[in-house]
Amino acid sequence: AQTVTQSQPEMSVQEAETVTLSCTYDTSESDYYLFWYKQPPSRQMILVIRQEAYKQQNATENRFSVNFQKAAKSFSLKISDSQLGDAAMYFCAYRSAWAGSEKLVFGKGTKLTVNP
Amino acid sequence: DSGVTQTPKHLITATGQRVTLRCSPRSGDLSVYWYQQSLDQGLQFLIQYYNGEERAKGNILERFSAQQFPDLHSELNLSSLELGDSALYFCASSVVTPGQEGTEAFFGQGTRLTVV
Repeated sequence: AQTVTQSQPEMSVQEAETVTLSCTYDTSESDYYLFWYKQPPSRQMILVIRQEAYKQQNATENRFSVNFQKAAKSFSLKISDSQLGDAAMYFCAYRSAWAGSEKLVFGKGTKLTVNP
Repeated sequence: DSGVTQTPKHLITATGQRVTLRCSPRSGDLSVYWYQQSLDQGLQFLIQYYNGEERAKGNILERFSAQQFPDLHSELNLSSLELGDSALYFCASSVVTPGQEGTEAFFGQGTRLTVV
């Protein structure tokens, strides 16, 4: 079974600074997808960014980018120019590419605080 | 707005009771997932339905059951409720068709269940 580990229960960053959230995963599969979801106090789960394992290029979405290291099974999220609205719980998630295995496996989450 | 609708938003009930949570997926999404979010267990996958059929099962208790109806909405039934069932229950939906296996899941706002 796949597992996802987020080793930082809490992180803080100053507004306008850059922060990196860590995520490692364990799988024996070669094809899969990785996601970062954001959960603000409203509790809505919002997709931040996704990465296909077969792509070597790291995904980027505006101020959010990932560092995907397939051999190391590492998938970190970098938030640049942090804003107060970035404060939330961030969850790393794994999804198999196999049909019938579309469920998401989540890490325990990292609570990000943004200080003004 | 993710397009996934969950009702009710909040539910308070007594131990031993039975409740039904409802989910309407995004238009066009055939797959529905149920997740449970609790402080001690994190986000756990419960069950997935695809076009009316059960597709995958996770850590779902025997006291819990779900179904997906012809109009694709889904219901999660929780019975003989215990204090430990208090959690946030999310529904998510995705396309899941050949060629779109990597499409992300969109989450509803969740149902906060409190068992007293």
